Amino acid sequence: SQTIHQWPATLVQPVGSPLSLECTVEGTSNPNLYWYRQAAGRGLQLLFYSVGIGQISSEVPQNLSASRPQDRQFILSSKKLLLSDSGFYLCAWSTRTLEAFFGQGTRLTVV
Amino acid sequence: AQSVTQLDSQVPVFEEAPVELRCNYSSSVSVYLFWYVQYPNQGLQLLLKYLSGSTLVKGINGFEAEFNKSQTSFHLRKPSVHISDTAEYFCAVSESGSARQLTFGSGTQLTVLP
Repeated sequence: SQTIHQWPATLVQPVGSPLSLECTVEGTSNPNLYWYRQAAGRGLQLLFYSVGIGQISSEVPQNLSASRPQDRQFILSSKKLLLSDSGFYLCAWSTRTLEAFFGQGTRLTVV
Repeated sequence: AQSVTQLDSQVPVFEEAPVELRCNYSSSVSVYLFWYVQYPNQGLQLLLKYLSGSTLVKGINGFEAEFNKSQTSFHLRKPSVHISDTAEYFCAVSESGSARQLTFGSGTQLTVLP
């Protein structure tokens, strides 16, 4: 069966520090991969999605970036975090047209 | 472009009472529709989905939803809620064939009171 791993579960980082969140999927090939952010009391905002290795689409201009170095690995990065980057980050995967499956999320607090 | 509106941000309801969480969408093409549930500090779990066929869809935990194309709605219902149903619920839409995948509503916090 398919599983998705996302880590770390929680992270506290100072303003201006770098960020790297990793997500891996097992049990499927060539999935669509997604990074969402959920700010406190708000819905989910799609940040990036990828339909293949090295193919990244950005939905919202910001100081975050994403990379997909392997078929089932998706990384969210930042060179310098801002206070406004705090939130709950969710990785997800899907088959071509059906529902998305989510990781357990990373709670990022920028201080 | 597709969009989703969840009309109620907070819904308090007493235990064993019925509940309806409202969702309306807009899209210029045919869509797939989903309801997800999120418990605190966890990822989202799929409750149910509408892809095609019968407009009444049954999901896990006793929830069901009805797709109404003329009203562009996909409301979620449960005839009798439990304390354990307290969570945030998200409606989502995907345009069929789109790699961009899901657009989510802003969520509805369901709080079941004893």
